[in-house]
Amino acid sequence: AQTVTQSQPEMSVQEAETVTLSCTYDTSESNYYLFWYKQPPSRQMILVIRQEAYKQQNATENRFSVNFQKAAKSFSLKISDSQLGDTAMYFCAFMKSTGANSKLTFGKGITLSVRP
Amino acid sequence: DTGVSQNPRHKITKRGQNVTFRCDPISEHNRLYWYRQTLGQGPEFLTYFQNEAQLEKSRLLSDRFSAERPKGSFSTLEIQRTEQGDSAMYLCASSSFLKNSYNEQFFGPGTRLTVL
Repeated sequence: AQTVTQSQPEMSVQEAETVTLSCTYDTSESNYYLFWYKQPPSRQMILVIRQEAYKQQNATENRFSVNFQKAAKSFSLKISDSQLGDTAMYFCAFMKSTGANSKLTFGKGITLSVRP
Repeated sequence: DTGVSQNPRHKITKRGQNVTFRCDPISEHNRLYWYRQTLGQGPEFLTYFQNEAQLEKSRLLSDRFSAERPKGSFSTLEIQRTEQGDSAMYLCASSSFLKNSYNEQFFGPGTRLTVL
């Protein structure tokens, strides 16, 4: 079974600064996907960024980038130039890429607050 | 409508009552997932459908829970004889299934259940 661990329950960052959210995972799979999802207050969850385990290059989406360390089973999210709209819960998630079921396994999440 | 919708958005019920939630996936998405999210936790997988077939159920899904997806379109999740421990946000997600390809899950806004 896969596990995803987010050990930081809360973080705060000043607007326009950079923040890094940590995530570690455990799996015996060799092929898988990792994700960061954002859940704004009272709004639905949206995908921020994904990483395929077979790709060595770290994924980047505008102000969001990841640091994927496969051997260490670490997958952190860096948010550059933080904006007030980045205030949300962020979840790290894992998905096997083989087999029929593509269910997501989530971490407990981290609450990020961006201060004006 | 281009997103996943869920109804009702909020449900308050008394212990022992039955409740039913509905999820309407994105059109043409053949996969539909149910997750449960309790306060301070990440979503946990409950079950998923490919078309009308329910292909996997989590151990979290006790026999008081039943899910259906008639005709492979909308899905319902019913909880019988509700207990206070059932209080949670119930999330629905949908995706298209392409073999050997990444299948992004799109989430609905959730149904928040409160059992008194």
